[in-house]
Amino acid sequence: GIQVEQSPPDLILQEGANSTLRCNFSDSVNNLQWFHQNPWGQLINLFYIPSGTKQNGRLSATTVATERYSLLYISSSQTTDSGVYFCAGLEGGGNKLTFGTGTQLKVEL
Amino acid sequence: EAQVTQNPRYLITVTGKKLTVTCSQNMNHEYMSWYRQDPGLGLRQIYYSMNVEVTDKGDVPEGYKVSRKEKRNFPLILESPSPNQTSLYFCASSLSAYYGYTFGSGTRLTVV
Repeated sequence: GIQVEQSPPDLILQEGANSTLRCNFSDSVNNLQWFHQNPWGQLINLFYIPSGTKQNGRLSATTVATERYSLLYISSSQTTDSGVYFCAGLEGGGNKLTFGTGTQLKVEL
Repeated sequence: EAQVTQNPRYLITVTGKKLTVTCSQNMNHEYMSWYRQDPGLGLRQIYYSMNVEVTDKGDVPEGYKVSRKEKRNFPLILESPSPNQTSLYFCASSLSAYYGYTFGSGTRLTVV
């Protein structure tokens, strides 16, 4: 099966700080998604990003498919950014997402 | 609003009492899946469907059934729930193999 690894596992930030989360994935991953799981357990789709760079407000993501990694940037962090961030790789057939173990982010005042 | 709707959001039930968790999407998506999330084990796929009447097992299908009679609906059936099926369940859908997945809000199931 495919492999997806995330780092760091835990991160504590002061409000207003910036951060970078990393996701490494194996050769058989065709496409990549980033999700945010909020404290209520909901999984929010942040980016579908098989390659290149996308931005949405204070969040942006870059995937370098040839080097098998993706980065999620959070700028000017807010307490509402707290939660777990997952990257997930999609296998060739498109029928299954394999999730990384997540980065637990806590943003403090 | 484009979304995946799961019901119920919370459910406490007793061992052996059949239950169904419903999932519906309004985006005309072909692909639908069920996942469960457990501490220390992460998110794991239970079943998936790539079209109407086409379903297949994921990584942890034991104790679950699904059906896909209509494109928009993909219910998860627990014929005889057991305590080890206590978990957070997610339904997800995607247009095709080259699009991202949208997840429902989750169903917290407790089997006592």
